[in-house]
Parts: sequence; C-alpha cells; structure tokens
Amino acid sequence: NAGVTQTPKFQVLKTGQSMTLQCAQDMNHEYMSWYRQDPGMGLRLIHYSVGAGITDQGEVPNGYNVSRSTTEDFPLRLLSAAPSQTSVYFCASSSNPGETQYFGPGTRLLVL
Amino acid sequence: DAKTTQPTSMDCAEGRAANLPCNHSTISGNEYVYWYRQIHSQGPQYIIHGLKNNETNEMASLIITEDRKSSTLILPHATLRDTAVYYCIVRVRYTGTASKLTFGTGTRLQVTL
Repeated sequence: NAGVTQTPKFQVLKTGQSMTLQCAQDMNHEYMSWYRQDPGMGLRLIHYSVGAGITDQGEVPNGYNVSRSTTEDFPLRLLSAAPSQTSVYFCASSSNPGETQYFGPGTRLLVL
Repeated sequence: DAKTTQPTSMDCAEGRAANLPCNHSTISGNEYVYWYRQIHSQGPQYIIHGLKNNETNEMASLIITEDRKSSTLILPHATLRDTAVYYCIVRVRYTGTASKLTFGTGTRLQVTL
C-alpha cells in the first residue's frame, strides 16, 4: 500500500512550457485534490474531484487543468507555465471530502 | 468551515509534553476538529480528529473543551522529529459536496534539546 504518490519530485520549466504533474493513490479513495504551497503560506486548493469523471475548481484554478479518468489517478496539467506557478504542489486523497486526507510527498516546480 | 486561531510559534524541550492550543469559537455542532502537521518540505500529515470527546491515538491526544470553542493537541513526549508546523482545522466531516481543507498559518513548534 503506497498511499499517495506524486511524480516528478522536482521539475524546472521555462516560461510557456507545458507539463503534467502525476498523482496516484491505491486506497480506492473517491475524493482527490491538488494544492499549491508558496513559501511561508498555507495550502491553497487548485482543483478537486469527487470521483472518476467529475472535477471542479478550487480557489486558484487559473492556468491549470485536471481530469479524472480513473479512481486511482488525478493528473494536474500546466498549460503554459509562468513564473508565478513556481511552488510546491501537493496531491491529497480521502474516502469522501470530509474525511481524513492523505497527502503525497509533493512536487517542487520552478518556472524560469 | 469555522475559523481557527493558533499561536504563531511555540518551543518545547525534548521529552516534555507539547501542548498546542487552538481557538474555534464559531464552531458548529456538526463540525469536527482536525489536526495535521507539516514537517519541513513534506506533505501534511494527519494526526488526530474529534467531535466533542477527548481522543487519543499513538501520536497524540486531543482535548476539546465542553463548550467546544477551543481544543488542545498534546504530544506527550516531544522529540526533535516533532518539530513541524501544526494546523488546527475545523470542518464538517460527512458532506455530500466537496469542500476544501482550509489550512491557516498554523503553529510552528520547535522542539529543542
């Protein structure tokens, strides 16, 4: 049982490039979400999903897309990277939105 | 979700109990108190949660006042590895719609020798 896994651990992008941050969980959780954390700040919700085929926006969705084709996977796509997207990205999952959330180890992204 | 207030930082000597307070005076009857922590550079880690009774698990104890307007997380024998930012979060547990986990700025606990 690996829990929540995220790849890559680190990534450097140039402005305008696109990429996909991967997130997978093996706990059969319906609810998955993406957060970003900037230095000295709390976590801010980007997008979330209550189940396969269902996604919705969080508080900072601009510049990001998500899809949920399976229960296990919830990738986050940066369409055209900007320096303001330099951050640490965390994926989380839980059995339902109100239950305990389990977080992945994070992806550190630097956009030059 | 109800708003919470926590001290910005606290120190604790290794081996002593760390008592982390949290005020949540606007908590509703169906809202639970959750505690998470974030050790430097890692993903947040669930610690414990409760509704109105005191709770204990292998990591910590949670003491909730009778009026539920405040709570205390207790790490009984703090170690250097407990140095982290601790977040107190109040939210509805069972919900048919998605709601975000609102992390405030938390309490930075520094455990020292």
